[in-house]
Amino acid sequence: DAKTTQPNSMESNEEEPVHLPCNHSTISGTDYIHWYRQLPSQGPEYVIHGLTSNVNNRMASLAIAEDRKSSTLILHRATLRDAAVYYCILQGAQKLVFGQGTRLTINP
Amino acid sequence: DAGVIQSPRHEVTEMGQEVTLRCKPISGHDYLFWYRQTMMRGLELLIYFNNNVPIDDSGMPEDRFSAKMPNASFSTLKIQPSEPRDSAVYFCASSDSGGAYDTQYFGPGTRLTVL
Repeated sequence: DAKTTQPNSMESNEEEPVHLPCNHSTISGTDYIHWYRQLPSQGPEYVIHGLTSNVNNRMASLAIAEDRKSSTLILHRATLRDAAVYYCILQGAQKLVFGQGTRLTINP
Repeated sequence: DAGVIQSPRHEVTEMGQEVTLRCKPISGHDYLFWYRQTMMRGLELLIYFNNNVPIDDSGMPEDRFSAKMPNASFSTLKIQPSEPRDSAVYFCASSDSGGAYDTQYFGPGTRLTVL
């Protein structure tokens, strides 16, 4: 399974944008880039996914580099409820392989 | 939809006892996944099913672990005998088609403590 690299932790302030980076230099042409997050004491929840083009949904935006070797999850206006561990995952088939993720702290 | 349902939410047992964790996937989903989460190893996929058939059990740690899916709406993960190192949070997830673009929906997890 292709691997992803994320910073262990990041910190931001409430109501400011947050850019969470992910490197995936060994991505294959059929791998989708998925982002999940895990709030404290909860199961992971889906955030967004994409293949080649940038994607937007009500939760976040996903910016994918032209060579697909990196991507960035963008939270446009962070709230305290966005404090969580964010996982960037390459999905080529049914299996999700979780890395250690980025622990995002939001300061009030 | 109620989402993925897991029971019990918490389980405390003694070493050597049998433990059974239960999962009800989202109705209509064809894929069911069991994960384990520990501080040391993070989230690991244990096994997954497609249409009630186990497809990949390469993540099951050893023979003490077994999983079944007798029908489309129910799955169990059994540990017998349990050991303290099995203490973890166990998540069940389900998805519709299982494709690379598909989303997995996770349950709230079962926190298992083996004394």
